[in-house]
Amino acid sequence: DTAVSQTPKYLVTQMGNDKSIKCEQNLGHDTMYWYKQDSKKFLKIMFSYNNKELIINETVPNRFSPKSPDKAHLNLHINSLELGDSAVYFCASSQDRQTDTQYFGPGTRLTVL
Amino acid sequence: GESVGLHLPTLSVQEGDNSIINCAYSNSASDYFIWYKQESGKGPQFIIDIRSNMDKRQGQRVTVLLNKTVKHLSLQIAATQPGDSAVYFCAEKSHGNNRLAFGKGNQVVVIP
Repeated sequence: DTAVSQTPKYLVTQMGNDKSIKCEQNLGHDTMYWYKQDSKKFLKIMFSYNNKELIINETVPNRFSPKSPDKAHLNLHINSLELGDSAVYFCASSQDRQTDTQYFGPGTRLTVL
Repeated sequence: GESVGLHLPTLSVQEGDNSIINCAYSNSASDYFIWYKQESGKGPQFIIDIRSNMDKRQGQRVTVLLNKTVKHLSLQIAATQPGDSAVYFCAEKSHGNNRLAFGKGNQVVVIP
């Protein structure tokens, strides 16, 4: 009965590869988010989707492309991975774009070698 | 006591004592504040939130205090337990803005 789930939990890959991280929420929420947490634990928003529509797109390289096939899923595809992409990526969801409380997934630790 | 580690401020507290974690925010337009707890290897977990029309809110063993005059937020944990060891984040949001802005985390270490 996991609320927000992500796969994989760990991802180790070589520079230049393309990889995807998947996120699903079973809370019936309309809004989903992707955050990046760096080595200093700083959390920064990357993207937000509301009912499959992109509503937040922070200054993120366009090698990062979110995709929302339906409102319960928000996947993150990363092209041409770089060393600096190594981080923990968190998916989150909220009831809707007005509701403030966000619920986070367990995170995906991406290591680029 | 409190010390500043290499990356995160760290609060070491004896089991059973009360903990206070502080957070300063800069946006005077922020009207919603939230505390998250992040245990090692896990995602941030909601603890408690407060809106700007309140200055105090209590949960189970936790209390959040908001001082809008000095733009300060604090989280008090009563009778700290080993399971409270984690990194704690405050976050703020202003009305109409979808973005939660997270503060720097505070590491709490509970000494048994």
